[in-house]
Amino acid sequence: AQKITQTQPGMFVQEKEAVTLDCTYDTSDQSYGLFWYKQPSSGEMIFLIYQGSYDEQNATEGRYSLNFQKARKSANLVISASQLGDSAMYFCAMREQSTGGFKTIFGAGTRLFVKA
Amino acid sequence: DADVTQTPRNRITKTGKRIMLECSQTKGHDRMYWYRQDPGLGLQLIYYSFDVKDINKGEISDGYSVSRQAQAKFSLSLESAIPNQTALYFCATSDPGTSRAEQFFGPGTRLTVL
Repeated sequence: AQKITQTQPGMFVQEKEAVTLDCTYDTSDQSYGLFWYKQPSSGEMIFLIYQGSYDEQNATEGRYSLNFQKARKSANLVISASQLGDSAMYFCAMREQSTGGFKTIFGAGTRLFVKA
Repeated sequence: DADVTQTPRNRITKTGKRIMLECSQTKGHDRMYWYRQDPGLGLQLIYYSFDVKDINKGEISDGYSVSRQAQAKFSLSLESAIPNQTALYFCATSDPGTSRAEQFFGPGTRLTVL
């Protein structure tokens, strides 16, 4: 069964508007972490934002915020005031307990296109 | 200088050849990972290592092996490459001492198996 689900293969947004990228997850752990990474066309993976399962407030990092709804097991990324440079692939990921420590599982990604 | 480096950055090889991808890091992290990325499938974990003496299989370890030569070095080998191993390979590190322990990625190695 998929542990991280990103249902939007592609999204379009007008420059300067806000956009929400969806992510749902599945885990039976009580302690886990949720991440979003950005992959521009150049290929590198860039960490954007983190939410711990015990964090009561939604995480924010500049124009990025994570809409964390624990009961629904969702961790949507909100990008405010989209810029052309936000065009990229975005991956949701979850860190969960594994033998000897933690490992991170990634979703399939959402490709965001920002229109001028 | 980059904290996580991968060599080579690009490689084209033939079916049946043995290939080694190398990863080095200067971040001082104990934990290192190898992922492959195929279009539409995100990143899949191949192997991970929590310290020099600890190696664990990930989701798709068949056809791959790894070696953790030192804290800073983690190599991935394809013993006999096949075309469906054509992919983008990432090495990553993380520091479990931080609350979020996000992963720091290398630039990736694009491997093509003909």
